[in-house]
Amino acid sequence: EAAVTQSPRSKVAVTGGKVTLSCHQTNNHDYMYWYRQDTGHGLRLIHYSYVADSTEKGDIPDGYKASRPSQENFSLILELASLSQTAVYFCASSDPGSSSYEQYFGPGTRLTVL
Amino acid sequence: GEQVEQRPPHLSVREGDSAIIICTYTDSATAYFSWYKQEAGAGLQLLMSVLSNVDRKEEQGLTVLLNKKDKRLSLNLTAAHPGDSAVYFCAVSANSGTYQRFGTGTKLQVVP
Repeated sequence: EAAVTQSPRSKVAVTGGKVTLSCHQTNNHDYMYWYRQDTGHGLRLIHYSYVADSTEKGDIPDGYKASRPSQENFSLILELASLSQTAVYFCASSDPGSSSYEQYFGPGTRLTVL
Repeated sequence: GEQVEQRPPHLSVREGDSAIIICTYTDSATAYFSWYKQEAGAGLQLLMSVLSNVDRKEEQGLTVLLNKKDKRLSLNLTAAHPGDSAVYFCAVSANSGTYQRFGTGTKLQVVP
């Protein structure tokens, strides 16, 4: 069964600290995405990748870096965490050749920056 | 860039009644449309997706309508039941499998 897993599931970080969120997919999908979810904003795209060792900026990339070391793994990095980055972060994967247009989502990581 | 608006933000209906959620978008090149359901504490689950050449699609008590002229997409849950209580998101994209832009979500509550 297709699966996207995220770690950690929740994290408390201090302002100015470094945070790394990890995502792993077993779907064999080329595309992976990082979104953040805030109340009243739905999901907003931070970074995405369509191939290993390459990442692209989404709609709100400032303050975030991404890394795609392999097809299966995609990380989101906050070099200097800030209060405004408190949110729930979702990873997703998709197959651009699929007819279903579905993105498969992980369970989310709740990040609190204090 | 593409702007997606979704309404209402909150919706409460009685069990057995219909619930309608509407999204509007701005980019006429939008070709793929999806509806997702998010239950409490969980990720998003795809409910239904349609191509731009489809005006209406029905599946398991759900109806999606697409009005390309008005750039409007709707989701109708017929005969809602308490298990339908969740947050619903529309999502649109210009190309299959590439990143989607999401609406702001509708929190649906179905009361017995």
